[in-house]
Parts: sequence; C-alpha cells; structure tokens
Amino acid sequence: QVQLQESGPGLVKPSETLSLTCTVSGGSISSYYWSWIRQPAGKGLEWIGRIYTSGSTNYNPSLKSRVTMSVDTSKNQFSLKLSSVTAADTAVYYCAREPSSIAALIYFDYWGQGTLVTVSS
Amino acid sequence: SYELTQPPSVSVSPGQTARITCSGDALPKQYAYWYQQKPGQAPVLVIYKDSERPSGIPERFSGSSSGTTVTLTISGVQAEDEADYYCQSADSSGTYAHVVFGGGTKLTVL
Repeated sequence: QVQLQESGPGLVKPSETLSLTCTVSGGSISSYYWSWIRQPAGKGLEWIGRIYTSGSTNYNPSLKSRVTMSVDTSKNQFSLKLSSVTAADTAVYYCAREPSSIAALIYFDYWGQGTLVTVSS
Repeated sequence: SYELTQPPSVSVSPGQTARITCSGDALPKQYAYWYQQKPGQAPVLVIYKDSERPSGIPERFSGSSSGTTVTLTISGVQAEDEADYYCQSADSSGTYAHVVFGGGTKLTVL
C-alpha cells in the first residue's frame, strides 16, 4: 500500500520561503508524476504543480513565478519550495500521486494526510 | 482560463439519489474525476475517467458525462456520504499540463 507523508515547518514568516517534503513509502517513486495541492481553511483545492521522476515539472500559472519542485529518487522523496509567502499562502498542503503517465489522464489516487502551513510573523 | 463550476450545496434525505454537477467548457475534450473529502481528511478518489469507479468505492457512486457537464450520482445515499465533493479535470498538451478543481459541493444528508 503506497503511503505519502508530508513534512516541514508548520509556521513560516511572511516574505520567506515555504519548504515541504513528501516521503513515499510502500512503493517506488520512479515512473510517476507527483503533485502538490493545497487547501485554505474552509475553501477548495488548488493544484500547485507536479514533477516527474525525471525532474520535468508543470506548475500552476498563478504560482509559477514562486514555485520550485524537486525530486530525490534515492530517498523516495519530492519537495516543494514556495517563495515570498504571504498570509494568502496559509493552507493545508497535500502531496499526491498520479497513477497514470498518459498525458490525457491526470488525476490522483494516493494522497498524503496533509500538513498545515501558517504564514505569520 | 479553464474553470469548473459546481453548485455550492446539495441536500438529500437518506435513501434518495444525490446528483452533483460540474460544468466546464473543456469537459467534452477532457476526462473528469471526482473526489470525496470528509472533515479533517484528505480527498479520496471516487470516480475517474468520467464514469469509472476505483476498487473499494461502493457501487452507489457513479459518474456520467454529457457535453460540457459531468455528473456524480450517489444512489441510495447514506449518512456516511455526507462530505464535500470536488470535480477535477486537466488541460494537457505535449509538455504542458494544468490541473483544475471545481469549487466543491457540500452534500448534506438530511
């Protein structure tokens, strides 16, 4: 059973960089796309972006200028960095797996439990 | 930009049928997916490729597509089905990909 676990600071100061890591267990990280998705309290889901195990990425255009994703296949981990954060970036951040590498099939079958990141001084 | 529109809320009595719609101009060309999210939990995939049901998802969950609208149908609604439901689709071409979620629909079981 594949499991995903987000980790990282729960509190980030405004203007600083949010950094999160997702550790994949119960299966290999290789040959899949991996995404980050966030959800502000009481609001809907927002896709942040995705990374393939080769390192190729796609980012949400609304966040692209501030997002960097990376992958470490030796550790079965992938990471998110979001720069210049504001209070609007306060949310539960989820990591998730896409089960298909077919371009027309982008969806998520395994999700982490989510981690709350609060942006505040 | 690509958008998906869902009703904010749907209410049904136990045993009735709930229908949650999701509209988007690109849906005739792109598959839709549905997720169930209960409070404090991560979303769970309940329908993929418009109408396919993942293993472990009860048969009362079904999906359909017609033009620019996809519909999640829950037949014989149970109290445990009370949750937020999100549709999702994606625009992808070559190396480009963009994932979009609907705003979510809160299903209330009366």
